[in-house]
Amino acid sequence: EVQLVESGGGLVKPGGSLRLSCAASGFAFSTYTMDWVRQAPGKGLEWVSSISSTSTYIYYADSVKGRFTISRDNAKNSLYLQMNSLRAEDTAVYYCARAKQLPEYDYWGQGTLVTVSS
Amino acid sequence: EVLMTQSPATLSVSPGERATLSCRASQSVSSNLAWYQQKPGQAPRLLIYGASTRATGIPARFSGSGSGTEFTFTISSLQSEDFAVYYCQQYNNWPPVTFGQGTKVEIK
Repeated sequence: EVQLVESGGGLVKPGGSLRLSCAASGFAFSTYTMDWVRQAPGKGLEWVSSISSTSTYIYYADSVKGRFTISRDNAKNSLYLQMNSLRAEDTAVYYCARAKQLPEYDYWGQGTLVTVSS
Repeated sequence: EVLMTQSPATLSVSPGERATLSCRASQSVSSNLAWYQQKPGQAPRLLIYGASTRATGIPARFSGSGSGTEFTFTISSLQSEDFAVYYCQQYNNWPPVTFGQGTKVEIK
C-alpha cells in the first residue's frame, strides 16, 4: 500500500524556519518525481515545488523561490522541504504528492499544517 | 503561467442527479488535465487524468472530457459521498503546475 506521511509542521514566527519531511512507503520511491502542494486555510490548492527522481530537475513556485529548498534522500525514502524566511502568507497545510508520470498526483499525504504568526 | 478557471463556484444538486462542472484554461493544455476530489479535512484524491482517463478504483459515474482549453467533468448520478470540492489541474505547461479555484458540489 502506498503511503506518504508528512511531519514537521507547527507554529513559527515570521522570518523563522521549518523543515518538513515526507516519509514514503509501499512503492519504489527512487523512481518517482515528488512534489509539495499547499493549501491555505479555506483556500484552493497551490503547487510549491517539484523534484525529479534523481534530484536532477528541481522547480519552485515564484512565491517561494529563494526561500524554500526541496530535497530528497532516496536511501531513506524521504522527501523534504526546508522553509526559510517564512511569511504569514505561507500559512497552509502542506501536502507531499507523488507524480504519476507528468505532475498529475496519484497519491497524497495527509498534510501537515504550518502556521506563521507572531 | 496558465490560468485555470472553474465554473460554477458552487453547484447545488440532488442525490441521483447529474452534475456537470467546467474548467477553462487560459491557453491550450492539450489533454494534460486532471480532476481531483477533496472532502473536508482530507487530502485531494485523483479522479481523472489525461482529461478523460479514470484513475485506479474510480467509479464509472465519474467522467471527464475536453481538450485544448475547454474541459468538462461529469458525475452521472450523484451519491451522498460525492458531495465535495472538485479541482481541475493542468500539467501541460509547467512549471508552474496550476489548479482551478475549485467547484463545491453541495446537496440541494
